[in-house]
Amino acid sequence: QKEVEQDPGPLSVPEGAIVSLNCTYSNSAFQYFMWYRQYSRKGPELLMYTYSSGNKEDGRFTAQVDKSSKYISLFIRDSQPSDSATYLCAMRTNTGNQFYFGTGTSLTVIP
Amino acid sequence: NAGVTQTPKFQVLKTGQSMTLQCAQDMNHEYMSWYRQDPGMGLRLIHYSVGAGITDQGEVPNGYNVSRSTTEDFPLRLLSAAPSQTSVYFCASRRGHNYEQYFGPGTRLTVT
Repeated sequence: QKEVEQDPGPLSVPEGAIVSLNCTYSNSAFQYFMWYRQYSRKGPELLMYTYSSGNKEDGRFTAQVDKSSKYISLFIRDSQPSDSATYLCAMRTNTGNQFYFGTGTSLTVIP
Repeated sequence: NAGVTQTPKFQVLKTGQSMTLQCAQDMNHEYMSWYRQDPGMGLRLIHYSVGAGITDQGEVPNGYNVSRSTTEDFPLRLLSAAPSQTSVYFCASRRGHNYEQYFGPGTRLTVT
């Protein structure tokens, strides 16, 4: 079983829709959770960085962590064509130096 | 700040050749890492460093060497390239243990 599971999609939504992206994980010791956006042929760009459980909001983006279910989510409100990219989740433990990444979900927002 | 920079952007090697992928950061970050990204596999850690002179292996270290003589630079050496090393390589850095990680633009490597 992989440490982090992420549905690869692809996901296609109309402009203005609310997008929900998710990852599940198996290691209950994960404490730091991240979401990255990766445009085609570019490096991953950090979107959200959270510690432990709860919600974090930044503009149109909201990250949620449910440690009891080992489930994290990224919500994108009022989605734009410029949001079309692959979204990667990542996580690590308090003490570990290794980040564990999901395989990414490909999102297309149709104008 | 330029952030994390990587050279070259693209490289084609023949099996058995060696080369060095360059990575530099100008943010005075302590931690630096090398990842490879393959379809369906996600990003996998090759080697990492927690400061100048200190390196350690990640998940997939075989066939790669690293050293860190300065805070700014963290080169990745392929000793004898194999087709299985065809991938996109990303360098990343972060200020310290509990800080967020930032990635460079990547190097696309093809080994024939």
